[in-house]
Amino acid sequence: GAVVSQHPSWVICKSGTSVKIECRSLDFQATTMFWYRQFPKQSLMLMATSNEGSKATYEQGVEKDKFLINHASLTLSTLTVTSAHPEDSSFYICSASYSTNEKLFFGSGTQLSVL
Amino acid sequence: GENVEQHPSTLSVQEGDSAVIKCTYSDSASNYFPWYKQELGKRPQLIIDIRSNVGEKKDQRIAVTLNKTAKHFSLHITETQPEDSAVYFCAAGNNNDMRFGAGTRLTVKP
Repeated sequence: GAVVSQHPSWVICKSGTSVKIECRSLDFQATTMFWYRQFPKQSLMLMATSNEGSKATYEQGVEKDKFLINHASLTLSTLTVTSAHPEDSSFYICSASYSTNEKLFFGSGTQLSVL
Repeated sequence: GENVEQHPSTLSVQEGDSAVIKCTYSDSASNYFPWYKQELGKRPQLIIDIRSNVGEKKDQRIAVTLNKTAKHFSLHITETQPEDSAVYFCAAGNNNDMRFGAGTRLTVKP
């Protein structure tokens, strides 16, 4: 099956620093990738949809200048949390899909803790 | 946009019993309905999915039913086992625009 790799799996950083999270599709080309945020015991909240070679589409309420998304190739999308603050602490998960297939394949997630 | 509601939020069953989780959706244009199982701290795993041209799909102990008229779909797990304990999410959407339910924490007691 399709494999999506996400790194790092966890990160601890100081308030005010930026953190980059990578999401890679290892054995397929993903023209579309998605980024989610998940708080403890809650559902996956879609943050943005990332299409290769174009600007990401952000969900309402998600600050695009704070959560920078780059989908530079068909196998890599990155999420950068800029000037992170404690309230940004969360579990971030990416997913990817084939261009014409809705099946989503998820990364393993990144637990971000901002001190 | 699509809005997905999922019930119950928690479900506890005895090993061997059946478990049923229900979801409703709002957008009649949605045509893809997957279910995911997520263990603590891990990625969601697709366990079964159904498309709008199908009313029911079964895979061993897991089955999903879809009622497009009523805009609801359900997950059925039979002969539950302790390893079925996890959080289950339903989702609905199309064209790569998927929305998730709030999740159901299933506990199977041995």
